[in-house]
Amino acid sequence: ETTVTQSPASLSMAVGEKVSISCKTSTDIDDDMNWYQQKSGEAPKLLISEGNTLRPGVPSRFSSSGYGTDFVFTINNVLLGDEGIYYCQQSDNVPYTFGAGTKLELK
Amino acid sequence: QVTLKESGPGMLQPSKTLSLTCSFSGFSLSTSGMVVSWIRQPSGKSLEWLAAIDWDGDKYYNPSLKSRLTVSKDTSNTQVFLKITSVDIADTATYYCARNTEASYYFDYWGQGVMVTVSS
Repeated sequence: ETTVTQSPASLSMAVGEKVSISCKTSTDIDDDMNWYQQKSGEAPKLLISEGNTLRPGVPSRFSSSGYGTDFVFTINNVLLGDEGIYYCQQSDNVPYTFGAGTKLELK
Repeated sequence: QVTLKESGPGMLQPSKTLSLTCSFSGFSLSTSGMVVSWIRQPSGKSLEWLAAIDWDGDKYYNPSLKSRLTVSKDTSNTQVFLKITSVDIADTATYYCARNTEASYYFDYWGQGVMVTVSS
């Protein structure tokens, strides 16, 4: 099983700042990493899929990079509406595993 | 427009069998490559992929829970079911169904989730 280690567990940012979230995997997963946003009381929403592909309708402020075992998710110019919990997920092998999540709070 | 919606018992007792239904529209599970997965999330915790069934009826399970899980679909290919046997308190969670494809196990559409509480 591929373990996904996500950090930090929480972030407190000011509007306009840059957010960076890291995910490291215990096995090489090529670029099969995905990123989700979950707002309180809602289902997760896919933001970025394999190959660092921004999903349709997702603002270009969101981006990701990485290959192999090290991945980074970035939000440029963070906005109040970006508050929530962000999860990474590997889609390379069964079982498909998620990171523990990063709670983003805006000051 | 793709939509999915989960339904379930809300609450059940330990040792019972949990039965969940995912009803969906906007796509057909008879379409080559389509997959529906089940994912759960205990309150305040992360997400756990449980199982999936594809358009051809092939089934995939999380090895850690495989002995307790059964995924199936209906003949009209508009509903997917999940059964979890011998539930205990640790199975208390919000259960989601989500769509993905055979080629890519990322989840592009999700249901709203159904909360299940296991309690005596």
